[in-house]
Amino acid sequence: QLQLQESGPGLVRPSETLSLTCSVSGGSISSSNYYWAWIRQPPGKGLEWIGSIYYSGNTYYSPSLKSRVTISVDTSKNQFSLKISSVTAADTAVYYCARPLRSTAAQGYDSWGQGTLVTVSS
Amino acid sequence: QSALTQPASVSGSPGQSITISCSATSSAVGDYNYVSWYQQHPGKAPKLIIYDFINRPSNRPSGVPDRFSASKSGNTASLTISGLQAEDEAAYYCSSYTDGSTPVFGTGTKVTVL
Repeated sequence: QLQLQESGPGLVRPSETLSLTCSVSGGSISSSNYYWAWIRQPPGKGLEWIGSIYYSGNTYYSPSLKSRVTISVDTSKNQFSLKISSVTAADTAVYYCARPLRSTAAQGYDSWGQGTLVTVSS
Repeated sequence: QSALTQPASVSGSPGQSITISCSATSSAVGDYNYVSWYQQHPGKAPKLIIYDFINRPSNRPSGVPDRFSASKSGNTASLTISGLQAEDEAAYYCSSYTDGSTPVFGTGTKVTVL
C-alpha cells in the first residue's frame, strides 16, 4: 500500500528557505508514471496547489509561487522535495505531498501524506 | 489563475440531500477538462471522492459510497450528497484542471449535519 510521509522543520524564520521532503513507500517513484505533487493549506483556509514533479525531473509550478518554489526528486531515496525561498507569515500552512489517481492532476489526488505544519515566525 | 467559488457553508438533516456549488470566477468551468471533489475531516488530509466527472458521470474511487454524485451546468459544477449521514460532516473542495495548465482548488464548503 502506497504511503507518503512529509518531513522537515516545523518552524522557519521569515526571509529564510522552507525545505520539506516527502518519503514514498509501497511504490517506486522512478518506475511509476505519476506527477508527484505538493499542496498546502493555511490554518483554517483552503487548499493551494504548489507544484508537481515527474521522476525524470520535469516540473510544473503554480504561477503565483513559481518565482520562489523549487521541487526536486531523488529516485535513489524514493523521495521528492520542496523548497520555498524568502518565506513570510503567509507561507504558514500544513504542507501535504500527494500522488494523483492517474498520471497527472487531471483525475485528482487519491494518495496523500498526513501533512506537516510549517510555521513562519521569528 | 482564477479561483473556484463555493458557498462557505451548507447544512442539512440526516437523510436529506444537499448540493454544493463550484463556480469559476473569471473563466467558465466548461473551459476545464477535468473537475474533482474532495472531502476533508478536521485534522485529516483531503480524500478524493469524485474525479473526472466532466468526461464520465460521477467517477468515484473505490470505497466511496454512491451517495456522492456530481454534475455540471454551464459555468457551475455541483456535488450532491444524498441520504446525508453524520459522517458526511466535513469540508468539501472542488478542483479543476485543464491540460497544459495547473490545478485550481475551490474556496471550500463546510457541511454541517443538523
